[in-house]
Amino acid sequence: QITVKESGPTLVKPTQTLTLTCTFSGFSFNTTGVGVAWIRQPPGKALEWLAVIYWDDDKRYSASLKSRLTITKDTSKDQVVLTMTNMDPVDTATYYCAYRLYSVADYWGQGTLVTVSS
Amino acid sequence: QSVLTQPPSASGTPGQRVTISCSGSSSNIGTKTVNWYQQLPGTAPKLLIYSDNQRPLGVPDRFSASKSGTSASLAISGLQSDDEADYYCAAWDGSLNGVVFGGGTKLTV
Repeated sequence: QITVKESGPTLVKPTQTLTLTCTFSGFSFNTTGVGVAWIRQPPGKALEWLAVIYWDDDKRYSASLKSRLTITKDTSKDQVVLTMTNMDPVDTATYYCAYRLYSVADYWGQGTLVTVSS
Repeated sequence: QSVLTQPPSASGTPGQRVTISCSGSSSNIGTKTVNWYQQLPGTAPKLLIYSDNQRPLGVPDRFSASKSGTSASLAISGLQSDDEADYYCAAWDGSLNGVVFGGGTKLTV
């Protein structure tokens, strides 16, 4: 059974760096094609894809946020970490991580709400 | 403004069939596969359709999808009250080198 779960701060101040961790189980990065993606959803708004890291350490980022995002994986801990710099109130959203193999996001975590406010 | 265009709302009565459209371009839907997601109120999205028209295990066959050119559509037959949710389409975009989502369609039953 594949599970993914997001963790990180619920509140960050403007200009700070956000670090989110996705802890997973039920799969490994040893499988060709496997990846973990991050997607966010501002309150009452649509989904926005942020980044993905693949089994071979290839990484892709949202074109509009690329300069602020870094995604890494730690296979020894079964974790994927997303950092987003220079946080702004418009970045307030529920952040989801998701396992992907057959689609852009096959199994989603429950999400974690991050509020950006001073 | 989302790269993929969906109607903001759709509605139907129990037992009816409804369709939700998703319009894109040659850099996404026209050349890449389409996924559909269902987001029930207050919950995380769930994969409904992958590879244009494939259902994951456990997704009822009341849900089906198709694609033609740069547009895709999701059909829900035998509408149930439990189907009331937001529905999103998504696809890889070769020009942006990333995933694009539709703006979502709120289905009211």
